[in-house]
Amino acid sequence: GDSVTQMEGPVTLSEEAFLTINCTYTATGYPSLFWYVQYPGEGLQLLLKATKADDKGSNKGFEATYRKETTSFHLEKGSVQVSDSAVYFCALESLDSRLTFGEGTQLTVNP
Amino acid sequence: DADVTQTPRNRITKTGKRIMLECSQTKGHDRMYWYRQDPGLGLRLIYYSFDVKDINKGEISDGYSVSRQAQAKFSLSLESAIPNQTALYFCATSDPAGTGDEKLFFGSGTQLSVL
Repeated sequence: GDSVTQMEGPVTLSEEAFLTINCTYTATGYPSLFWYVQYPGEGLQLLLKATKADDKGSNKGFEATYRKETTSFHLEKGSVQVSDSAVYFCALESLDSRLTFGEGTQLTVNP
Repeated sequence: DADVTQTPRNRITKTGKRIMLECSQTKGHDRMYWYRQDPGLGLRLIYYSFDVKDINKGEISDGYSVSRQAQAKFSLSLESAIPNQTALYFCATSDPAGTGDEKLFFGSGTQLSVL
């Protein structure tokens, strides 16, 4: 079945550092890919998405590019802020329209 | 008011007790879902419903049951709670015909602890 694998966490960075969170997937066909973010005490909310190969999703300074050849969708941000501290989930949309989530990566940004 | 509301926000119970978690939504979506979140395991789907008369098991449905009382309401029950059901539970809705980017809309979660 479909699956999503994220880099092992947690990740701790200083403010203004560069962020990469790796995500790879296994799926039938070419699913839509998503990054969701969960701030403390809240539910998940969509951060960005990409629906086909080579698409780049972007939002709030975060970017991720749909790489079909490496089945990856890594999340990047050039300069993180303390307010980016959260749990980040990579996800894919299966053929039956359900979402399959990765394990989640806890990001802590220190001032 | 939140579009997807879960009650209670927190619950502590004892092994063997019956527990119901409730979810209501004002988004008018037909599809509703129950997930549990465990550290290091991400979100795993328990049950989902594509309309009032449709109920489907997810990947970890054992020990759980659901009821879709109306389009807006989807309840999750633990008939006899056990400690490894301690987790953060999320309800979510979706509208596959929607034109926006958002795929799933989540509630704020229910933290359940089974002692």
